[in-house]
Amino acid sequence: QKEVEQNSGPLSVPEGAIASLNCTYSDRGSQSFFWYRQYSGKSPELIMFIYSNGDKEDGRFTAQLNKASQYVSLLIRDSQPSDSATYLCAVKNRIISYNNNDMRFGAGTRLTVKP
Amino acid sequence: GAVVSQHPSRVICKSGTSVKIECRSLDFQATTMFWYRQFPKQSLMLMATSNEGSKATYEQGVEKDKFLINHASLTLSTLTVTSAHPEDSSFYICSAPIARGYTFGSGTRLTVV
Repeated sequence: QKEVEQNSGPLSVPEGAIASLNCTYSDRGSQSFFWYRQYSGKSPELIMFIYSNGDKEDGRFTAQLNKASQYVSLLIRDSQPSDSATYLCAVKNRIISYNNNDMRFGAGTRLTVKP
Repeated sequence: GAVVSQHPSRVICKSGTSVKIECRSLDFQATTMFWYRQFPKQSLMLMATSNEGSKATYEQGVEKDKFLINHASLTLSTLTVTSAHPEDSSFYICSAPIARGYTFGSGTRLTVV
């Protein structure tokens, strides 16, 4: 079982729709959760992080965390063609830590938003 | 804040030559730098972890004599691909741990011809 699993996609949604990206993780001790966006040919950039169960909203993005079920999701409202990218889920087993290779990345979900 | 500057962004080299990629932490001290490789439409693959003042730790299957990593200062880590071959053509990305998560360099597209 992979430590962090994502549906590779591609996930295709029409412009203006809600895109829902899901991620499950195996380490029940995981404490912090991240969503990165990676455009083709570019490096990942952080979109959101979440530590507590529930929802966290930032503009059109909402991260949802359910530690009991070991999943984290990202909702993108009013999807735009510019949101077309690969979204990486990442999980760490500490909230704040330095120098430790304790972040595990999923393989990413490719999202395409069609005009 | 917490920016990692990576150079070059793109390099084309001849087979058999060596290429050096630099990653600098601009506004913080990075005692650790992670080096990833990413092939088209594939996920990030951790190659090695560099630590300032000590030897790098390589992931299984990564040749340490081929991918030389140096982390001589708190703000600079380098990856040298020695005797590059076409199969080394890939996207190389460095990242440093910060308070929350990792910050990534902009990546280096290496093409070996």
